[in-house]
Amino acid sequence: AQSVTQPDARVTVSEGASLQLRCKYSYSATPYLFWYVQYPRQGLQLLLKYYSGDPVVQGVNSFEAEFSKSNSSFHLQKASVHWSDSAVYFCALSLSNYNVLYFGSGTKLTVEP
Amino acid sequence: DMKVTQMPRYLIKRMGENVLLECGQDMSHETMYWYRQDPGLGLQLIYISYDVDSNSEGDIPKGYRVSRKKREHFSLILDSAKTNQTSVYFCASSPRDRNSDYTFGSGTRLLVI
Repeated sequence: AQSVTQPDARVTVSEGASLQLRCKYSYSATPYLFWYVQYPRQGLQLLLKYYSGDPVVQGVNSFEAEFSKSNSSFHLQKASVHWSDSAVYFCALSLSNYNVLYFGSGTKLTVEP
Repeated sequence: DMKVTQMPRYLIKRMGENVLLECGQDMSHETMYWYRQDPGLGLQLIYISYDVDSNSEGDIPKGYRVSRKKREHFSLILDSAKTNQTSVYFCASSPRDRNSDYTFGSGTRLLVI
C-alpha cells in the first residue's frame, strides 16, 4: 500500500530564512509526487509536481522540491520565506496519471517577522 | 473562470439530521471527489465519481453516500449525521486523462452538535 508521511506537524521560521518541509513516501515504484498549499479558509492549491526526469522541480512562488528515490523523499524548499508563506503544506502522491491523490497529514508553517 | 464551488461554506446540524453538501464545477471534468480534512490526518478520500452515476467508495465511505446526476454537480449526503462527522469537507475535480490534476473547492465546515 502507498502512504505519505510528513513528520513535522508544525514548523516556525523567521522571515528571510530558508525553509525545508519534509515528505517521505512509501510505494514500491516511483509515484507521481505533489506539494499543495492551503491558506486559511481556502482550498488546496498546487505548488509543484514531479512525474519523472530532473529530480529538482520548480514551482510557483519560488518553491522547489527535490525527489530522492534512494531516500523515498520529496522535500519542499525555499531559499527565503516571506510572512505570506504562512499556511499549511501538504505532500501527496498518485500512483499514476490516472489515480487519485493520497495526502500526508500536513505541515503548518508559521513565518515570524 | 475555472473553479469548483461548494455550498454551503458553513453548516451546523444536530445529531440525527440529514445533511446535504453540494459541489459544482464549470470545467466539464469527468472525475470528482469528496474528501474530509481533520487535524493531524490530512485529507481522506470519501467517494470518487468517474462520471454521471459512476461512483466508487474511497477510503472512508461509511456514513456517507453520494449522488451525481449531472457531470458538473456532485453531492455528498449524510443520512442521520453523527458528531464524529464534524469536519471540513472538500470537493475536487479533475479531467479523466489527468486524474491527478485536481482543482479544489474552498471547503464546507460542518459542525454536528
